[in-house]
Amino acid sequence: GAGVSQTPSNKVTEKGKYVELRCDPISGHTALYWYRQSLGQGPEFLIYFQGTGAADDSGLPNDRFFAVRPEGSVSTLKIQRTERGDSAVYLCASSLSGNAKNIQYFGAGTRLSVL
Amino acid sequence: SQQGEEDPQALSIQEGENATMNCSYKTSINNLQWYRQNSGRGLVHLILIRSNEREKHSGRLRVTLDTSKKSSSLLITASRAADTASYFCATDLRSGGGADGLTFGKGTHLIIQP
Repeated sequence: GAGVSQTPSNKVTEKGKYVELRCDPISGHTALYWYRQSLGQGPEFLIYFQGTGAADDSGLPNDRFFAVRPEGSVSTLKIQRTERGDSAVYLCASSLSGNAKNIQYFGAGTRLSVL
Repeated sequence: SQQGEEDPQALSIQEGENATMNCSYKTSINNLQWYRQNSGRGLVHLILIRSNEREKHSGRLRVTLDTSKKSSSLLITASRAADTASYFCATDLRSGGGADGLTFGKGTHLIIQP
């Protein structure tokens, strides 16, 4: 089937605004991950879902960031009161289960630009 | 924070030559993975090597792992222009082996000159 789908592919917003980024994982994958990648850096872990619950949100930088996965499939990353420093590519990945040996499949990412 | 560090940061070689990239990490791991990224978007999984393995092959790719030195290398043989990309090593976030995210290095940007 289809791979991991992320929408929008690009998002431009103004400082202080609220944004939502969507991730549609591979069908049947129970584990879902969000990462953030700044220019010239590798992806940095934000949050991991096993099913509907956030199993590890230790990578979220502050309380302006929040993510949900209400039905255990699609996930939304929400950023409140955006700041220019939030500009980055936000990547979503899914894997068959949360087992550390499972390969993570990445979406193409959402490039967020905060002006 | 990023655990893995790739070396070199950038590498430019002629098509047909072999490319070698190295990765070092800090804490014990369960496995190490290599990913490729084109144009700053969408990582593609290349190969996973478990902590009890020393070498693994996949097509033109060869990965080695030295847990005593906490390092890994990725060798791409007979490089092609399409291999131009950034390459990242990634380790599990925690050594406990649970269900976690990955920790990536900063990557090696590989350019294959035609």
